[in-house]
Amino acid sequence: EAGVAQSPRYKIIEKRQSVAFWCNPISGHATLYWYQQILGQGPKLLIQFQNNGVVDDSQLPKDRFSAERLKGVDSTLKIQPAKLEDSAVYLCASSLDRGVLGQTFFGQGTRLTVV
Amino acid sequence: AQTVTQSQPEMSVQEAETVTLSCTYDTSESDYYLFWYKQPPSRQMILVIRQEAYKQQNATENRFSVNFQKAAKSFSLKISDSQLGDAAMYFCAYLAGTASKLTFGTGTRLQVTL
Repeated sequence: EAGVAQSPRYKIIEKRQSVAFWCNPISGHATLYWYQQILGQGPKLLIQFQNNGVVDDSQLPKDRFSAERLKGVDSTLKIQPAKLEDSAVYLCASSLDRGVLGQTFFGQGTRLTVV
Repeated sequence: AQTVTQSQPEMSVQEAETVTLSCTYDTSESDYYLFWYKQPPSRQMILVIRQEAYKQQNATENRFSVNFQKAAKSFSLKISDSQLGDAAMYFCAYLAGTASKLTFGTGTRLQVTL
C-alpha cells in the first residue's frame, strides 16, 4: 500500500514570506496529523483532523499557521508570515482511526528553513 | 500533562552487541500505550515496538524488546545483535488511552560501529 505522501521535501524561504505544505494520507485513513519537529526535539502535534473536522489544534499558532483538510482526504498546512523559529521538519501522519488500534503512519516530512 | 523524558542524547554500540535506550514518562492516566519509533536520515518515523500499559508481559519484536516498569514509569528499549541499519534517532512516545495524539521524547541518536 502507498504510504503518506508529502511535498515538497525541502523549502527555503525568507522570513515574513508564506509557505504551504501538502499531505496525502494513506487511502481510507480517517485521522490526519501535522507534527512540527524542531532540530534536536521530538515531534510536537500542531493539528489533528478526524475526516475533515479539527479534533485538536491547541498547539497551532493560529495567528500565522492554518490548515485544512479538503473532503477529508488531502491536507495543506500554511504558514503566513514565516518566522525564523518556524525552521523545522513538518511531518504529516495518518491512522485508520483515532490512535492506537490503527497504527500511525508517518510521511517523510518537509524540511523548512527560514532565513 | 504527560511528559516523556529520554536522558541519553547519544548512544554508541558495536555491531552485534546489545544496547539499551532509556525512557521515563509521567502520567496520571491508568490506560495508556508506549511506543518506540525509529527515525533514519530519511526522516520517516517508523514504529519499532509498542506496549500496552495493561499488559504485564514485555513486548518483543525480533531483535527489539522492552523493559516496561509501570510503577517506576520506565520504558527502555533493548536492541540485540545490533546492525549497521539500526543507526538512527530513536524516539520514545506516549499515548493516553482516551486520546490519539502522540507525545514524544527528545530522542536518542544511536550510532552503530564496526
